[in-house]
Amino acid sequence: GEDVEQSLFLSVREGDSSVINCTYTDSSSTYLYWYKQEPGAGLQLLTYIFSNMDMKQDQRLTVLLNKKDKHLSLRIADTQTGDSAIYFCAEPNSGGYQKVTFGTGTKLQVIP
Amino acid sequence: NAGVTQTPKFQVLKTGQSMTLQCAQDMNHNSMYWYRQDPGMGLRLIYYSASEGTTDKGEVPNGYNVSRLNKREFSLRLESAAPSQTSVYFCASDRGHATNEKLFFGSGTQLSVL
Repeated sequence: GEDVEQSLFLSVREGDSSVINCTYTDSSSTYLYWYKQEPGAGLQLLTYIFSNMDMKQDQRLTVLLNKKDKHLSLRIADTQTGDSAIYFCAEPNSGGYQKVTFGTGTKLQVIP
Repeated sequence: NAGVTQTPKFQVLKTGQSMTLQCAQDMNHNSMYWYRQDPGMGLRLIYYSASEGTTDKGEVPNGYNVSRLNKREFSLRLESAAPSQTSVYFCASDRGHATNEKLFFGSGTQLSVL
């Protein structure tokens, strides 16, 4: 089955760049996702990348995909206190039904 | 636009008590899901409903039952709550057309079982 791994915690200073890393197992995934969970709220889709792409940039967010190493990263430039949240990497399940497998989540703490 | 609405937001139960978590979506989505979130373990799928009238087990179904009451509503029932079911529960939905659908989440129910 799918296994998505992330480090649990990251602390950065406001204005610095944050890099959140993820490793996944299913090489057939057509998409990979980043979800954001703000305190006391549900998850919201932040961005996603097609598996035939190496990089996707969306304003302050850059997603890098290394398919050979099955490694996905999310870079947040000029990190703000409002970026403090838990970030989940996720990949679609290949088990024949519709769901995604979520990573353990990385809690990003932004220090003013 | 309400999206996915869960009730209650907080609940405390004693071991052995039963309760039902309610979920409703107003986006005309076909598929609905119940997840639990535990520290260091991410989200794990409890049950899902690919379409109205169908339900299936996810990764951690033991101790839970579900009902897809209609297209809008998907409830999760704990028949005899146990301390191991202390968790944050999330309902989610998507259009259900493909495996790459964007999931929409409710704001969660924090459940404590004493």
